[in-house]
Amino acid sequence: AQSVAQPEDQVNVAEGNPLTVKCTYSVSGNPYLFWYVQYPNRGLQFLLKYITGDNLVKGSYGFEAEFNKSQTSFHLKKPSALVSDSALYFCAVRDITSGGYQKVTFGTGTKLQVIP
Amino acid sequence: DAGVTQSPTHLIKTRGQQVTLRCSPKSGHDTVSWYQQALGQGPQFIFQYYEEEERQRGNFPDRFSGHQFPNYSSELNVNALLLGDSALYLCASSLAGSGTGELFFGEGSRLTVL
Repeated sequence: AQSVAQPEDQVNVAEGNPLTVKCTYSVSGNPYLFWYVQYPNRGLQFLLKYITGDNLVKGSYGFEAEFNKSQTSFHLKKPSALVSDSALYFCAVRDITSGGYQKVTFGTGTKLQVIP
Repeated sequence: DAGVTQSPTHLIKTRGQQVTLRCSPKSGHDTVSWYQQALGQGPQFIFQYYEEEERQRGNFPDRFSGHQFPNYSSELNVNALLLGDSALYLCASSLAGSGTGELFFGEGSRLTVL
C-alpha cells in the first residue's frame, strides 16, 4: 500500500519569506512523487514531480521540492513567498513497482496562507 | 491543446437518485482516473479506466460504477445517492506509456445531495 502524510493543516508565512510545506510518504518500492496546487473551487494543477536523479526538483511558479530517501520526505519549498501563492497544496505518491497501474495517492492537503 | 473537460460543473440531486458525470481526457491521453474530494479533504481514488476496462479500484461501494468509451472519454455513475456522496468529483487523465503516471485534472463536478 502507498500513503502520503502532510502533517500541517495550515502554514502561514509572511510575503517575501521562504516557505516550506512538509510531506512524508510510504511505498513498498521506489516512489514517483508529485506536488499539486488547488485554488478555491478549481481542479488540481501540477507543480512538479520527482522521478529519479537530482534530489532537488524545480517546478512551476518558482517552487522546488527536495527528495530525501532516508527520511522518506518530499518537502515543497519556495525562496520568497507571494500572496498569490495562497492556496491548497497536495503531495501525492505513486509506487513505480505498480507496473501498468497508475494509481496516485494524495495527502490530505496543506493550506498555505501568505500574509502581506 | 484541449485539457481535461468535465460536465456538468454543478448539480443537485436528492437522496436515492442516480447521477452520471462525464469526462473527456486531455488530447493524446488514454487513461482516466476518478477521484472524490469531500470538503476540506484530499482527493480519494475511486477507480481508473484504461482500454475501456476498470483496472484499479479504491475503497468505494458498488454504487459507484464507470465506463470508458473507445474515444477514451469516461463516465462516472453513482446510484442510490447518499448525503455523504456530496463532494467535488475530479477526473484526471494520463498516458499509460508515459511511465510516471502524471495526472492532469479537470475542474471537477460539484455534486450536492439533499
